[in-house]
Amino acid sequence: NAGVTQTPKFQVLKTGQSMTLQCAQDMNHEYMSWYRQDPGMGLRLIHYSVGAGITDQGEVPNGYNVSRSTTEDFPLRLLSAAPSQTSVYFCASSYSRLGNEQFFGPGTRLTVL
Amino acid sequence: DAKTTQPNSMESNEEEPVHLPCNHSTISGTDYIHWYRQLPSQGPEYVIHGLTSNVNNRMASLAIAEDRKSSTLILHRATLRDAAVYYCILEGNNNDMRFGAGTRLTVKP
Repeated sequence: NAGVTQTPKFQVLKTGQSMTLQCAQDMNHEYMSWYRQDPGMGLRLIHYSVGAGITDQGEVPNGYNVSRSTTEDFPLRLLSAAPSQTSVYFCASSYSRLGNEQFFGPGTRLTVL
Repeated sequence: DAKTTQPNSMESNEEEPVHLPCNHSTISGTDYIHWYRQLPSQGPEYVIHGLTSNVNNRMASLAIAEDRKSSTLILHRATLRDAAVYYCILEGNNNDMRFGAGTRLTVKP
């Protein structure tokens, strides 16, 4: 099993550009989520999905879109990048939403100039 | 949302036990208590979780107070590889997993 994979590992954008962060898991997990981590802080939940076709907002959803067309993939789209979105982004998955171990990807480090 | 309180930092000597405390006085009856840790430049790693009873696994033990308003993560024998930020997180029907600032554990040789 590859576990949770994220691409790219690093990305630099200019203000106003859009891009998609990719996340995939091969563990047949129903629950997937996206977090961002700013320097010296804990992770904050952006969006999550409890299964294919179902997504919901987390703590900091503004400026981001998600979709879940398959169980395996959960891409995160930045619509119009802003410097405030400079952060490290982590994708995670688990068997179901409550009471389960979450597996995290290695992260994508994004810089918006 | 239910909130957790942890010390900012703790130190331990190598090969000694470590007790990492967490207060969660507003926990609800259906909230799970999770512990994750994060090594530098890596994603968080699951350590342990529980609901009401104490839990043990190969990495650690979780001791949950009888009233569930606090818990303690126990590393039985700290190694240098255990140096990390440890997060205590509540997860329930009405609150998603929210990571606070965590406790930075330093292990001295």
